[in-house]
Amino acid sequence: EVQLVEYGGGLVQPGGSLRLSCAASEFTFSRYWMHWVRQAPGKGLVWVSRIKSDGSSRTYADSVKGRFSISRDNAKNTLYLQMNSLRVEDTAVYYCAGGVGIAPGGWGPGTLVTVSS
Amino acid sequence: QTVVTQEPSFSVSPGGTVTLTCGLSSGSVSTSYYPAWYQQTPGQAPRTLIYSTNIRSSGVPDRFSGSIVGNKAALTITGAQADDECDYYCVLYMGNGIWMFGGGTNLAVL
Repeated sequence: EVQLVEYGGGLVQPGGSLRLSCAASEFTFSRYWMHWVRQAPGKGLVWVSRIKSDGSSRTYADSVKGRFSISRDNAKNTLYLQMNSLRVEDTAVYYCAGGVGIAPGGWGPGTLVTVSS
Repeated sequence: QTVVTQEPSFSVSPGGTVTLTCGLSSGSVSTSYYPAWYQQTPGQAPRTLIYSTNIRSSGVPDRFSGSIVGNKAALTITGAQADDECDYYCVLYMGNGIWMFGGGTNLAVL
């Protein structure tokens, strides 16, 4: 069964940066598209970004384009999300998802990012 | 901009059957949108139920099924149980590497 664990969340001031990591195991990480999905407190799921299995293509939601950058290291079975110029509205639980089809599949427990002064 | 639509809330009787839908504010959903369905209880990560329209994720009971009904993706739950009461989300592939979630459906079993 797909195992995903996110790291790196925390409290950051507006305008600051944070890098999230997601460690993958129990599946062939290098074969799957991977996604970041976020959920603001009390709100629904929002797709943030996707990277193809070989890293050749990366796409972003309009709300984070130009500020966030997704990457992966298939040798380390790890997915990343570099978040710059953070805003209060970026406050959310961030989930790493993948490993099942091409849609967000297996899910990690999530990591909370709080943007506040 | 096109929005993915879901019923905000729905109710079903214990043991009953319910079909939740996932549509587009403009246009029709087809298998080319690779619809997927998720179940989420409060405070927990989502759980994948269905992907690529109708493929059941590992460990998901067969009373959950996915399909295209008319111009929408559909999630049908048969034999509803008390612990099916939670939020359900769909996601669609919009093309050009972009995915979009619906707003979610809160399902009550009563």
